[in-house]
Amino acid sequence: DAGVIQSPRHEVTEMGQEVTLRCKPISGHNSLFWYRQTMMRGLELLIYFNNNVPIDDSGMPEDRFSAKMPNASFSTLKIQPSEPRDSAVYFCASSPGGGSQPQHFGDGTRLSIL
Amino acid sequence: GQQVMQIPQYQHVQEGEDFTTYCNSSTTLSNIQWYKQRPGGHPVFLIQLVKSGEVKKQKRLTFQFGEAKKNSSLHITATQTTDVGTYFCAGPENYGQNFVFGPGTRLSVLP
Repeated sequence: DAGVIQSPRHEVTEMGQEVTLRCKPISGHNSLFWYRQTMMRGLELLIYFNNNVPIDDSGMPEDRFSAKMPNASFSTLKIQPSEPRDSAVYFCASSPGGGSQPQHFGDGTRLSIL
Repeated sequence: GQQVMQIPQYQHVQEGEDFTTYCNSSTTLSNIQWYKQRPGGHPVFLIQLVKSGEVKKQKRLTFQFGEAKKNSSLHITATQTTDVGTYFCAGPENYGQNFVFGPGTRLSVLP
């Protein structure tokens, strides 16, 4: 069975550019999570969707970040404009039922903003 | 907001020694989950504990959920080099849907 699929695996871009990260959750999972991981701040929850609806985006750093889930099989995390401090590994995870169920993580996108 | 802490932050052990990491939450948790992340990898779910005082075992790994459901521990018996990685505890914030990860304990195993 396919796991959570993220693309791209690596992204290097200059500051000010728009960055779009993509995620395909496991089929049948109705919850999707976006995380950011850095050495300084650890693993941070950015936003959580349930049945394609954003439940809580309080973890989104600022207005430069936005996330969408147009359907059950696809989500995007967009940063516009990007800044060097956005450099991190961004993980997408899905679960069958919110925080009470195990989460399955994708391989992540390693983002470097120059 | 809820805080989830883990100690120690780092642990270096000789292969064959035991290892324990502790997780403490500032609020009661409806459940607690443990994940392992290998260097360069992604977090992988290990186990979920739900009941107060629950103890679960996976081969050399023993997981425990505290009676007050605010703390948990992971104990590894006779560590192996394959145990290297960062171990995270995580749980729903205030019985809600939002998920909070602890900062993790990074385990190094010297052969």
